[in-house]
Amino acid sequence: KAGVTQTPRYLIKTRGQQVTLSCSPISGHRSVSWYQQTPGQGLQFLFEYFSETQRNKGNFPGRFSGRQFSNSRSEMNVSTLELGDSALYLCASSSQGAPTEAFFGQGTRLTVV
Amino acid sequence: DAKTTQPPSMDCAEGRAANLPCNHSTISGNEYVYWYRQIHSQGPQYIIHGLKNNETNEMASLIITEDRKSSTLILPHATLRDTAVYYCIASPINSNYQLIWGAGTKLIIKP
Repeated sequence: KAGVTQTPRYLIKTRGQQVTLSCSPISGHRSVSWYQQTPGQGLQFLFEYFSETQRNKGNFPGRFSGRQFSNSRSEMNVSTLELGDSALYLCASSSQGAPTEAFFGQGTRLTVV
Repeated sequence: DAKTTQPPSMDCAEGRAANLPCNHSTISGNEYVYWYRQIHSQGPQYIIHGLKNNETNEMASLIITEDRKSSTLILPHATLRDTAVYYCIASPINSNYQLIWGAGTKLIIKP
């Protein structure tokens, strides 16, 4: 069974630009969650989607948004990039959203210059 | 979600048991203890979880104290591939992934 696929793996953007990251969950999984990981703040929850609906959202500004498609693939968008948005962005998939069945992708390393 | 406290780093000799402690003194009755690990440059990996009883699976054992205020993750025969950051999280099982991650313990397995 293929794992969680995140694309691209690495990205360099300039301040003020926007970026879209993609996550393809494991086949059959309907829940996709996104996390931001930085050395200073660690792993922080961004949002979770289940069957195309956002079920939970963390404490991030409105510049961070996401969506999920009918095939469960999810995208995350960050607009007006800031230097502090440089991070590893991880997505996790599961069938129902329970923490015990989480499978994480390898992440997208975003660098904002 | 209850806050957890873990030592920032630990060493263990290859082949020995690695015992990783976690304090969660404010854990509530409906919160489980989860353990994940993150090997360098990879996403976190679920290891094990428990509520009250000790648990064992093919990766590790989880020992939870009777008062549930602390727990220990045991890797019975550590290998170099077990070098990773280990996270202990206390959260309701239906939290829909709003897990609160601490800084974890950096476990280094030495040959």
